[in-house]
Amino acid sequence: GAVVSQHPSRVICKSGTSVKIECRSLDFQATTMFWYRQFPKQSLMLMATSNEGSKATYEQGVEKDKFLINHASLTLSTLTVTSAHPEDSSFYICSVTPRQGIVETQYFGPGTRLLVL
Amino acid sequence: TQLLKQSPQFLSIQEGENLTVYCNSSSVFSSLQWYRQEPGEGPVLLVTVVTGGEVKKLKRLTFQFGDARKDSSLHITAAQTGDTGLYLCAGAIGSNYKLTFGKGTLLTVNP
Repeated sequence: GAVVSQHPSRVICKSGTSVKIECRSLDFQATTMFWYRQFPKQSLMLMATSNEGSKATYEQGVEKDKFLINHASLTLSTLTVTSAHPEDSSFYICSVTPRQGIVETQYFGPGTRLLVL
Repeated sequence: TQLLKQSPQFLSIQEGENLTVYCNSSSVFSSLQWYRQEPGEGPVLLVTVVTGGEVKKLKRLTFQFGDARKDSSLHITAAQTGDTGLYLCAGAIGSNYKLTFGKGTLLTVNP
């Protein structure tokens, strides 16, 4: 069964609005979650590392004020795209890392397709 | 600088053929994962390799981790149309949880 869920799976919004995407770890507690974006036929690009109870760590070039991350519990992280513009249209995917086992293994959510008009 | 070089980038073959996808780096990885992704979906973990020289088999898929833990390969025997998808390798350096992804191999298996 699914290890990670994302909601919504698809969203279309007008330019200037904000969009919140939820990522839930279903099978285990996750102190660390990751947010990626992916353009068509390209690989995943890490945007930020979401840490439960503390501030997210953003990759170089990713605007922290535009992509707000809140990791409020051990099973939920949210990504809010603020004042979205057409260039923010992309496939956003989260992943979770279990607290036990091979620590680097990540399990991915089904992704959220964002289209900004 | 691309940390993980994945090749080939595109591969189109006939059903029943064999293929190999490579993932190479000058860096040493503590572990390496292979994922398969279908359009509009998230990547699905195929395997994690940890030990240098390790070989893992998953039905028709064989994964190998280089002795020096700098490279890996994925071999598919007798490819089927259902194998079509984007194959991604991802390596971890140290224990900071972060993965570095290769650019992916888009595999198309034609009937």
